[in-house]
Amino acid sequence: EAGVTQFPSHSVIEKGQTVTLRCDPISGHDNLYWYRRVMGKEIKFLLHFVKESKQDESGMPNNRFLAERTGGTYSTLKVQPAELEDSGVYFCASSQDEAGIYGYTFGSGTRLTVV
Amino acid sequence: GENVEQHPSTLSVQEGDSAVIKCTYSDSASNYFPWYKQELGKRPLLIIDMRSNVGEKKDQRIAVTLNKTAKHFSLHITETQPEDSAVYFCAARDDLSGSARQLTFGSGTQLTVLP
Repeated sequence: EAGVTQFPSHSVIEKGQTVTLRCDPISGHDNLYWYRRVMGKEIKFLLHFVKESKQDESGMPNNRFLAERTGGTYSTLKVQPAELEDSGVYFCASSQDEAGIYGYTFGSGTRLTVV
Repeated sequence: GENVEQHPSTLSVQEGDSAVIKCTYSDSASNYFPWYKQELGKRPLLIIDMRSNVGEKKDQRIAVTLNKTAKHFSLHITETQPEDSAVYFCAARDDLSGSARQLTFGSGTQLTVLP
C-alpha cells in the first residue's frame, strides 16, 4: 500500500512569496489532516477534511493559509503571502475512518523555510 | 481545548538502559493516547497507542501507562538500542464528544541511545 505522499520535501521561499504544498493521502482514506511543527515545538493541528469538506479548520492560524481538497483526493495547502513565522515542517496525515481507530498515517512532511 | 505537555525535551541513555518519557494532559475527556516515533528526516510513525479503559499496554520492549486521575501517561522503553534514537511524540484525543478528530501533540522528546 502506498503511503501518504507529500511534496515538495523542502521549500525555501522569500517572505511575501506564495508556496503551495501538496498531500496525496492513502487511496480510499476519506480523512485528511494537516499539521505543522514550528521551531521544534509541538506538532499542531491545522485542519481536517472529510472527503472534500472541511470538517474542522480551527487550527488554521490566519487567512494567509488556504487548504483545498477538490474531488476529495489530494489536498493542497497554500500560504500567501508567506511570513517568517510560517517556517516549519508541515505534515499531512490520513486515516481510514473519522475516529482514527486504525490510526493515522503521516507523510514525511514538507520543510518550509521562509527567509 | 486540550493541552499536552511532554518531558523531558531531550533524553540520553546508555544502550541497554531504560528510557521513560512522560506526558500530562488537561482535558479529562481525552480517551485516546497514541505515541509516535520520528526518526531523522522520516515521517512520524505510530508505535503504540492506548485507550482510557486500560491502565497499561505492552508491546515487546515498549510499554505505556495511564493514570486517568492524575491525567498522566508515560512511555517506557526497556533495553534500549541505538535504533531507538528518534524524536518521540505523545498525543491525546477525545473520541467521544463533539466531532473533532484532531490529535493534540506534546512538544516531543529527542531520545539518544549511546552505544
